[in-house]
Order: sequence, then C-alpha cells, then structure tokens
Amino acid sequence: SSELTQDPAVSVALGQTVRITCQGDSLRSYYASWYQQKPGQAPVLVIYGKNNRPSGIPDRFSGSSSGNTASLTITGAQAEDEADYYCNSRDSSGNPSFGGGTKLTVL
Amino acid sequence: QVQLVESGGGLVKPGGSLRLSCAASGFTFSDYYMSWIRQAPGKGLEWVSYISSSGSTIYYADSVKGRFTISRDNAKNSLYLQMNSLRAEDTAVYYCARMRGIAAASNWFDPWGQGTLVTVSS
Repeated sequence: SSELTQDPAVSVALGQTVRITCQGDSLRSYYASWYQQKPGQAPVLVIYGKNNRPSGIPDRFSGSSSGNTASLTITGAQAEDEADYYCNSRDSSGNPSFGGGTKLTVL
Repeated sequence: QVQLVESGGGLVKPGGSLRLSCAASGFTFSDYYMSWIRQAPGKGLEWVSYISSSGSTIYYADSVKGRFTISRDNAKNSLYLQMNSLRAEDTAVYYCARMRGIAAASNWFDPWGQGTLVTVSS
C-alpha cells in the first residue's frame, strides 16, 4: 500500500473551490507534486515544489503544505477539471512514491 | 516541443521478457534524470525505476528489483526498460517521464509519454 494517503473521491459544484489532500510522513520533509489524469490520457503535472505551476496550467490550481499534509486547491472548478488527481513525494527509502489517487467529480 | 514516445509493449507469457524503449526529443536528454512509472488497469500510478543523467545512479521499486533493468543511451536520446521474469501483476501501461528535483526537497515528473501497454498472460 502507498505511504501517501488520498481520499478516493471528492466532488465539487461547478465554480466552487475544492481541496484535495495527501497525507504522509515524507511530506514533513519533501514537497508534493500533483498530477491530473483524464480517462485514456497520460498524467499531466499541475503543481510542483512549494507552489509552482508549469506553463499552461491555469492559475486556479494551487498547492500548499502543512505538517504531514499537502493540498491541491482548485479555486473556481471547471467542468474540464473533472479527472483523477495524484500526489507524489518520497517513500521511507527516499524513492518516489505516489498517492492512491482522488477522483474529482464536478457537479 | 518536449516529447517522449514509448514503444515495445505487447502481450507476453508469464516468465517471459520484453524491452521497452522511450525516444526523447525537444530537450537535452543527457542533462536529465529519467524514470519509468506504470499503471495497472483501473489502478493508480506506481513508480518503477529511475536513472541519473549519466546512468551512474539507478533505483528500482522493490516490486521489480532483480527482474527489471533500466538503461539509457544518451547518444540516441533513448531510455530503456528490460523486463524479465514477467508476472501477471506486471500488466500495466508503462510511462516514461522526465524527472526533476531529485536532489532537492521535491521531485516531479514532466512531461510523460503516452504510455505503452504490457500484458502478461498465458
């Protein structure tokens, strides 16, 4: 099982704000990165480092961290944000590790 | 533009072997760490292995250690994954991804290839 824990599913009303969380001991020492995956597509990086967005990622996506919890916040969720979201950090060996994923539904 | 294209997936019997390739373009391949990540059907992402820019540093997930070998050819801008002693549980889409931040307080994967499906079944 993953050392990074995510809620399996989260829903948000169109235009509202949603927070997707990732918990794990490694998050006390390492920042999380976040990936969006739509059905049949490869994952896409949306947040990395302290709170950095790659080019082309809308500014409604933001990241934060406190203690052993990292969060991805979508402010003003859009229909096209409906997807699976995965966090990534390190495991106890220092190797990369992914959370189990959160399925976001936009109502 | 930065692009990664995997190939080499297919159907293989348990105990068999397969070699995946990942062709990189649009960036200086030899400057970057690279990684393989897989996703079983209907499941989440699982990191498999990564290799340093020179190839001198390699790590594997425990689930593939001793069976899989990652390598790269910087002259050919290519990453490889040799998979031996394949098991049903290795069935997955295999993605290659450029890896960054490994020496810092973070690591991230960007971009990802489109993936190649490996099916292990008799």
